Amino acid sequence: ELKVEQNPLFLSMQEGKNYTIYCNYSTTSDRLYWYRQDPGKSLESLFVLLSNGAVKQEGRLMASLDTKARLSTLHITAAVHDLSATYFCAVPQYSGNTGKLIFGQGTTLQVKP
Amino acid sequence: EAGVVQSPRYKIIEKKQPVAFWCNPISGHNTLYWYLQNLGQGPELLIRYENEEAVDDSQLPKDRFSAERLKGVDSTLKIQPAELGDSAVYLCASSSRDRGDNEQFFGPGTRLTVL
Repeated sequence: ELKVEQNPLFLSMQEGKNYTIYCNYSTTSDRLYWYRQDPGKSLESLFVLLSNGAVKQEGRLMASLDTKARLSTLHITAAVHDLSATYFCAVPQYSGNTGKLIFGQGTTLQVKP
Repeated sequence: EAGVVQSPRYKIIEKKQPVAFWCNPISGHNTLYWYLQNLGQGPELLIRYENEEAVDDSQLPKDRFSAERLKGVDSTLKIQPAELGDSAVYLCASSSRDRGDNEQFFGPGTRLTVL
């Protein structure tokens, strides 16, 4: 059974600092998705990583995927308050399948001025 | 392009009452998903439709939950009767096979409170 684990689950950081959120998954997958969720809001797609070694960047966020290590990272550079949210990674239950996504527990990021 | 539409956004009911949620996916998206999100957790799939066919409903509590997707577009998720433990956010998402990445797009959700 596929398990997806994120760490840390909660992250409080100062503006301007860098940090990385980790997402580990237990079975083979060729793709991984990152979502952002603001309090009381729905999930917003951030990144779609489709192959080993994939790296995508948007503003202060950069995501990467290592399918051999079954690990994805979401790196935050020079954090700003607007990045405060909960971040989820998700992996398809079956590799290459269009179906069910298994989500991590989420990492709640709090950026303090 | 309009996003996934859900209604109502909020619903408060007493236990044992029925409740229904409605979802309109992104135009042209053939795959529709209903997820359940409990507070402080990631979403969990309840049911997935490919067009009008339910292809994965293994996580749907069939004694009280039902869903339909008539004509392969809009979908309705129903709970009857509701229990206290059903309080959660119900998210609808859709995706298109035409997109090679199978990215799922989520609606705003329906927040259900069962008293």
